[in-house]
Amino acid sequence: DTEVTQTPKHLVMGMTNKKSLKCEQHMGHRAMYWYKQKAKKPPELMFVYSYEKLSINESVPSRFSPECPNSSLLNLHLHALQPEDSALYLCASSPQSQTGYFYGYTFGSGTRLTVV
Amino acid sequence: SQQGEEDPQALSIQEGENATMNCSYKTSINNLQWYRQNSGRGLVHLILIRSNEREKHSGRLRVTLDTSKKSSSLLITASRAADTASYFCATEEQGAQKLVFGQGTRLTINP
Repeated sequence: DTEVTQTPKHLVMGMTNKKSLKCEQHMGHRAMYWYKQKAKKPPELMFVYSYEKLSINESVPSRFSPECPNSSLLNLHLHALQPEDSALYLCASSPQSQTGYFYGYTFGSGTRLTVV
Repeated sequence: SQQGEEDPQALSIQEGENATMNCSYKTSINNLQWYRQNSGRGLVHLILIRSNEREKHSGRLRVTLDTSKKSSSLLITASRAADTASYFCATEEQGAQKLVFGQGTRLTINP
C-alpha cells in the first residue's frame, strides 16, 4: 500500500459544529503532516507528528486540534471554525530522514472543507 | 511562512514544447522537491534533489539546483496535454523535518 487515504473527501460544517478529518497510511512512515491550502495558493504547514508525538505546531489556532492515535492514523479535530477556515486540508507522510538520505512526501487527495 | 518565489506564476505553451519553471528560496536546505497538483487535489511527488547535487533527471523531467544562488529549475521536455497542472517547489530546511512550498506555477499545455 503506497497511499495516504483521507476521509471525508468533502465536508460542510456550521460554525458551531464539531467534526474530525481522518488520515491513514500503511507505509510504515513515522512522520505525518497536516497542511492547509486555500484556492490558488501553496499548501501551508499546520502540524508535524514524528513517532506519534507532536513536533511542530505552526501557531495554529486552538480550534484545530491534531491527534495521532497510532503510527498509521492522524486526525484533525475541528471545533468552532470560521468561514475563513474553508480550504483544502491535506495530509502527508514521509519516512524519518536519516543523515544524508531524504525522501519525498506522500500526500493524500485532501478534504475540501466548507464552513458555513 | 512561505519559502520563496516561483517564476513564472503562469505558463501556457503548445504540446510538444519544453516548459521551464524556476524556484528561489531563502534558507539553507537539506533538499528541494518538486510536486504536481491537478485541479486542487492531492500533490504528487515528482523529483527530489539533495543539497549536494546539481542536476537530476527522471524521465522527461530535469531539475537543477544552485545552492549559491538559492535557486532551482524544473524542465519538462516534450510536453503533453496531461502535464497541465500546478507545479510547486518545496524545500526541506536544515534542522527541521518539514516541507515549505513556493508559490507555484500554473502550467497549461495547449493541444
